Amino acid sequence: DIQMTQSPSSLSASIGDRVTITCRASQRIYSYLNWYQQKPGKAPKVLIYATSTLQSGVPSRFSGSGSGTDFTLTISSLQPEDFGTYYCQQTYTFWTFGQGTKVEIK
Amino acid sequence: QEQLVESGGGVVKPGRSLRLSCAASGFTFANYAMHWVRQAPGKGLEWVAVIWSDGNNKYYGDSVKGRFTISRDNSQNTMYLQMNSLRVEDTAVYYCAREMVVEGATHNWFDPWGQGTLVTVSS
Repeated sequence: DIQMTQSPSSLSASIGDRVTITCRASQRIYSYLNWYQQKPGKAPKVLIYATSTLQSGVPSRFSGSGSGTDFTLTISSLQPEDFGTYYCQQTYTFWTFGQGTKVEIK
Repeated sequence: QEQLVESGGGVVKPGRSLRLSCAASGFTFANYAMHWVRQAPGKGLEWVAVIWSDGNNKYYGDSVKGRFTISRDNSQNTMYLQMNSLRVEDTAVYYCAREMVVEGATHNWFDPWGQGTLVTVSS
């Protein structure tokens, strides 16, 4: 099974900060990596698929990069509505999620 | 609009069974693979099962294999999850999600998701 490890587990940042979340796969997954945002009490929503493709309607301050085993989600300028938990997901072999990164606004 | 609505959750004793439903609307249900994903209270997301668009292929996560059965009725635009031999550790919000695929490629992602239905397994 492919394991996904995110870091950090949580972070607190100020409005306007650049935020970076990393996701590491236990084996090579090429570009089969998605990112989701989940707000409390709500279902997850896809932000980025295939490592770097922005889902329609998602603000351009979100971006994704990486390949192989190491991937990054970047929020270029954190906004108040960006609080929540972010999950990476590999789809190379079946489907596995990272443990999540909780983003709080300072 | 494209929508998924889960139902069937509730409180059940360990060892008992429960069947969840996921009703789809706003898109051609029969064209898409569908998934169940669960989230234990305060925990992360765990993929549970997938069923191909024609219902002929099904795969399960290790933690539910042999106990849960995924199925679908394309004439009713509905997917199901039959959960048998329930355990305390199956307590979670269960989401259904549609699998989207990049045309001509194999990249896929989940969108949309339903609002979830809570299953509580407790004596």
